[in-house]
Amino acid sequence: AQSVTQLGSHVSVSEGALVLLRCNYSSSVPPYLFWYVQYPNQGLQLLLKYTSAATLVKGINGFEAEFKKSETSFHLTKPSAHMSDAAEYFCAVSDRSNTGKLIFGQGTTLQVKP
Amino acid sequence: GAGVSQTPSNKVTEKGKYVELRCDPISGHTALYWYRQSLGQGPEFLIYFQGTGAADDSGLPNDRFFAVRPEGSVSTLKIQRTERGDSAVYLCASSFDSGPTDTQYFGPGTRLTVL
Repeated sequence: AQSVTQLGSHVSVSEGALVLLRCNYSSSVPPYLFWYVQYPNQGLQLLLKYTSAATLVKGINGFEAEFKKSETSFHLTKPSAHMSDAAEYFCAVSDRSNTGKLIFGQGTTLQVKP
Repeated sequence: GAGVSQTPSNKVTEKGKYVELRCDPISGHTALYWYRQSLGQGPEFLIYFQGTGAADDSGLPNDRFFAVRPEGSVSTLKIQRTERGDSAVYLCASSFDSGPTDTQYFGPGTRLTVL
């Protein structure tokens, strides 16, 4: 069975600091991985996805993530945090069946301090 | 264009009552998903439709939960004899197709509270 684990339910950074949100996956087959962001009272929005092309994936709002098979990781980074980045972030893996259903991690709440 | 919409945005009901939650997917999207998000948790898969048929309902917790998509567009999630443990945010998502790399577009969710 596939799963993802997000390390750290809450992360706090200062505005302008590096953002690093951790995600590790477990999968018996090469995974397809996603990062979604959820702003208050809004639906989940796709930030980026890894579909076995380039291992460094660039997404919206300056975020990127690197797929590292040796570490079974897909950590999300952004060089400089903005106040508007405060939200909840979810890592997910596709179950690779014909359904395309997603298996989500527990989420990480990002707080950005002025 | 319009995104995925869900109604109502909030639903408060009493234990034992019946509720219906509605999802309007993006026009032209053939795949539709329901997820449930409990407080402090990530979304959990409930059911997937390809067109009108429920192709995978393995995530439905028990037979009190049922969903339909009669015309291949709007979907309704139905919960009978609600229990306090059903309280959660119910999310709907749609995608153009159901491949494992297709992007799912999520609605804002329906927050269900069972008193």
